[in-house]
Amino acid sequence: KQEVTQIPAALSVPEGENLVLNCSFTDSAIYNLQWFRQDPGKGLTSLLLIQSSQREQTSGRLNASLDKSSGRSTLYIAASQPGDSATYLCAVSQTGTASKLTFGTGTRLQVTL
Amino acid sequence: EAQVTQNPRYLITVTGKKLTVTCSQNMNHEYMSWYRQDPGLGLRQIYYSMNVEVTDKGDVPEGYKVSRKEKRNFPLILESPSPNQTSLYFCASSFRRDWNSPLHFGNGTRLTVT
Repeated sequence: KQEVTQIPAALSVPEGENLVLNCSFTDSAIYNLQWFRQDPGKGLTSLLLIQSSQREQTSGRLNASLDKSSGRSTLYIAASQPGDSATYLCAVSQTGTASKLTFGTGTRLQVTL
Repeated sequence: EAQVTQNPRYLITVTGKKLTVTCSQNMNHEYMSWYRQDPGLGLRQIYYSMNVEVTDKGDVPEGYKVSRKEKRNFPLILESPSPNQTSLYFCASSFRRDWNSPLHFGNGTRLTVT
């Protein structure tokens, strides 16, 4: 059974700092991996989706990488801003059951002034 | 505006009183799914639907029912709610024919069962 882990559970950084969020998964037979952002009282917003054949995806200040063989993905946020404060979740879909996503429990990020 | 709409946003009910949480999407998505989010457990899939009249169980289907009579709607039904179903519920949708399209979420329904 796929398990997805995100460490740390919470992170506080000063504004302007570059940071990395981690996501690890136990079964490397994944179809894709998605990173989401969740703001308090809101739903999840998809940030980046990396297909299993890809190594990374970029959107603005965000860069996500994928290393299937080691079961890891990282989300790099450059020049962090207070507006980046949110909970970040990763989710993987399995080969053969792409309809089923397994989520991590998230990293709560606070960017301070 | 492309969106997934859930109603109600907040619901307080008593044990055993049947309730329905509605979900509607305006993106012509084939795939829809329900999740519950609990502290320390993350999001867990309850049910999903590949298309009209096609539904299947996720990881935690016990105590829930769904139906997909129209492409845009995917209601979640709790026939006899219990306190352990107190949770934050999310509906989501995506293009099924492209599993590499992102998942779109509603804003959630916070359910309390007393």
